[in-house]
Amino acid sequence: NAGVTQTPKFQVLKTGQSMTLQCAQDMNHEYMSWYRQDPGMGLRLIHYSVGAGITDQGEVPNGYNVSRSTTEDFPLRLLSAAPSQTSVYFCASSYLTSGGRTQYFGPGTRLTVL
Amino acid sequence: ELKVEQNPLFLSMQEGKNYTIYCNYSTTSDRLYWYRQDPGKSLESLFVLLSNGAVKQEGRLMASLDTKARLSTLHITAAVHDLSATYFCAVRPMNYGGSQGNLIFGKGTKLSVKP
Repeated sequence: NAGVTQTPKFQVLKTGQSMTLQCAQDMNHEYMSWYRQDPGMGLRLIHYSVGAGITDQGEVPNGYNVSRSTTEDFPLRLLSAAPSQTSVYFCASSYLTSGGRTQYFGPGTRLTVL
Repeated sequence: ELKVEQNPLFLSMQEGKNYTIYCNYSTTSDRLYWYRQDPGKSLESLFVLLSNGAVKQEGRLMASLDTKARLSTLHITAAVHDLSATYFCAVRPMNYGGSQGNLIFGKGTKLSVKP
């Protein structure tokens, strides 16, 4: 199993550009989510999905879109990048109903918006 | 407002010493997680605590949960340099966001263990 994979690992954008951060998992997990991590902060939930075709907003969804067409993939789209979106982005997945199973995190994408 | 507060945020300790990291949360929760993050790396799961009084141990780390006090602790015994990392607690609030997976994270405790 590759676990949770994310691409790219690093990205630099100019203000106003758009891009998609890719996330894939091969563990057949129903639940997937995107977090952002800023210096001195914990992780904050952007969007999440409880299964293919189902997505919902988290704590900080503005400026981001998601879709979930398959169980394996959960891309995060930045519509018009802003410097405030400079952050490290983590994708995570887990089984949805479980007694204590943890979330597995991807390696992260470090995004800089100039 | 949902809050998860960790204390302390920075911890410098000598090898061989003991210390405790505290995690307080403001909402009813049925699940608490501890993660470790090394610089520039992703998060690694350490413990999942499911019930009041739960205690889990792995090596020099021991985590406990008191759901009535809304408090979890991560105790470090006889610290070694390899434990240097940032430790996060995260809470799964009940009745939040319509999903069983959503977590609220603390800001993390940056631990530095010096010889």
